[in-house]
Amino acid sequence: KNEVEQSPQNLTAQEGEFITINCSYSVGISALHWLQQHPGGGIVSLFMLSSGKKKHGRLIATINIQEKHSSLHITASHPRDSAVYICAVRYGGAGNQFYFGTGTSLTVIP
Amino acid sequence: GAVVSQHPSRVICKSGTSVKIECRSLDFQATTMFWYRQFPKQSLMLMATSNEGSKATYEQGVEKDKFLINHASLTLSTLTVTSAHPEDSSFYICSARPGGNSYGYTFGSGTRLTVV
Repeated sequence: KNEVEQSPQNLTAQEGEFITINCSYSVGISALHWLQQHPGGGIVSLFMLSSGKKKHGRLIATINIQEKHSSLHITASHPRDSAVYICAVRYGGAGNQFYFGTGTSLTVIP
Repeated sequence: GAVVSQHPSRVICKSGTSVKIECRSLDFQATTMFWYRQFPKQSLMLMATSNEGSKATYEQGVEKDKFLINHASLTLSTLTVTSAHPEDSSFYICSARPGGNSYGYTFGSGTRLTVV
């Protein structure tokens, strides 16, 4: 069974705080994506990972293949980071479809 | 970068009518597009995989006669919700993968459908 679990489901932080969102999956994957969904629904792809770590601005994404776990970190959080962050994985042999986590709703308070 | 244009972004329709949603890849050819649906406070769920020049592959529980998918060209896939009902009200979004060995995916901006 392909399961993708995210935690926490909801997160409220003060501006400037360091934020971590976690994602765990059940079986080996070919790629993991972190997505950002804005209040209007539009989705932006933040990172695609198959191993290691990636950094873009204040965002850092890591993945541990052995532990089947990924984290998304936001440094110096800002109210404009408020969004739903979604972990999505693709499994080898399952075509190219994604399996999505339920998302983490982040609110950054000024 | 690769862009997928999706519209309309919002649509309100009456029960029993049909609504067409378009996804167009602007600067790449998409042999495959994926259509997802998201109900409020729920995760995105794959509805179907759209393949250029062939029939779409639908996920279990998705009615292929109700959600018509057409992928007649390498840059355009359409989803038509036929005989819409209020329970079809949802957020619909497409994604596609630019060609080559890239694992990157691009998402459309989504369509919020409200059936009244």
